[in-house]
Amino acid sequence: EPEVTQTPSHQVTQMGQEVILRCVPISNHLYFYWYRQILGQKVEFLVSFYNNEISEKSEIFDDQFSVERPDGSNFTLKIRSTKLEDSAMYFCASSDTGQSNQPQHFGDGTRLSIL
Amino acid sequence: AQSVTQPDIHITVSEGASLELRCNYSYGATPYLFWYVQSPGQGLQLLLKYFSGDTLVQGIKGFEAEFKRSQSSFNLRKPSVHWSDAAEYFCAVAPDNYGQNFVFGPGTRLSVLP
Repeated sequence: EPEVTQTPSHQVTQMGQEVILRCVPISNHLYFYWYRQILGQKVEFLVSFYNNEISEKSEIFDDQFSVERPDGSNFTLKIRSTKLEDSAMYFCASSDTGQSNQPQHFGDGTRLSIL
Repeated sequence: AQSVTQPDIHITVSEGASLELRCNYSYGATPYLFWYVQSPGQGLQLLLKYFSGDTLVQGIKGFEAEFKRSQSSFNLRKPSVHWSDAAEYFCAVAPDNYGQNFVFGPGTRLSVLP
């Protein structure tokens, strides 16, 4: 069964540094998402992406964050000037049509630790 | 704004016992509802979904869930729990438009006693 893959599985970064989290969505999917889960808290939506542009973003997704689909397979989340509170598990997801009755398929996540 | 509550933070059951995880939502229109499971160190795996039709839906791993509009609930059930079911379970609501965010509940951690 096709799956969403994320790299790296764990990223440790000094505060203030930039970090790029990478995702390879399922190949025929058209909608892509990033979510965040701070330790012990619920999964929170960050951003959705379709047709090479952001379709929706949450209040969390401020100017510090950006997303990009640099080629036909990768979908990246960039965090500029990381802060301690950015430490979390970041999940990428994709769906085929973007209709809300279609499930989003999630990757295993990248654990981001900011020192 | 839509919200999802899962009243039980942590549930412990014995292996072989039945299980019910509660989920309540607040949403004005007909919701699309999902249950995901997260095993330790893993991503979110879809268990089942509901968007119309029969209010009792079957999922993977022997799970089922029942949508009750009058109670705004979508409780997850399993008649006999296995030790491998120990995980975090998340209920999620999707709005009825395109490419938009899922709203997740806070999760219920399930522990299974041998």
